[in-house]
Amino acid sequence: DQQVKQNSPSLSVQEGRISILNCDYTNSMFDYFLWYKKYPAEGPTFLISISSIKDKNEDGRFTVFLNKSAKHLSLHIVPSQPGDSAVYFCAAFYNQGGKLIFGQGTELSVKP
Amino acid sequence: KAGVTQTPRYLIKTRGQQVTLSCSPISGHRSVSWYQQTPGQGLQFLFEYFSETQRNKGNFPGRFSGRQFSNSRSEMNVSTLELGDSALYLCASSLGHAQLETQYFGPGTRLLVL
Repeated sequence: DQQVKQNSPSLSVQEGRISILNCDYTNSMFDYFLWYKKYPAEGPTFLISISSIKDKNEDGRFTVFLNKSAKHLSLHIVPSQPGDSAVYFCAAFYNQGGKLIFGQGTELSVKP
Repeated sequence: KAGVTQTPRYLIKTRGQQVTLSCSPISGHRSVSWYQQTPGQGLQFLFEYFSETQRNKGNFPGRFSGRQFSNSRSEMNVSTLELGDSALYLCASSLGHAQLETQYFGPGTRLLVL
């Protein structure tokens, strides 16, 4: 049972435009959400996070939105740059479970 | 500061064999988590070790086991390998349990089971 889902395996965006990556979850116990970015031959690196008590968190070009009622979060990248091309994973965590649950990943391609 | 290192980086085994993967965390980090990455499933949590104790375990069969040494280095073992075990195995270290934003991943060990 996939508790965290990224339904789009890939996304292609023009440089300078907005990239929107989506993530849905099923477990209402999750209280913390993270986005990771992964380049080929490297491990994932932490990008941005959001607590379930917030609905938005911003860090430079990256903004994460959380809609708890819809059990949905999204990562916005504005403006997108070619260096943003990577696989993006969303992940969810709850203290009682104690483990990070990842989605399947979305491969973002930003074209010049 | 050196990052998380994993050895070997690539490995080819045949069905039925067993394999041991190694992870050296960032100096000072006491928590090591292991993940399996496959194309269809994304990253799946295997287990977490903190101060030589398994803190948490994912939904994997008993063929998957691990341990952590007093220097925080960790090993993961898979016995009786199956074709479906072919994956990228990632380990991540952090200062403490559930310190997610300071969790750093290694580059992974790519295992191919023939």
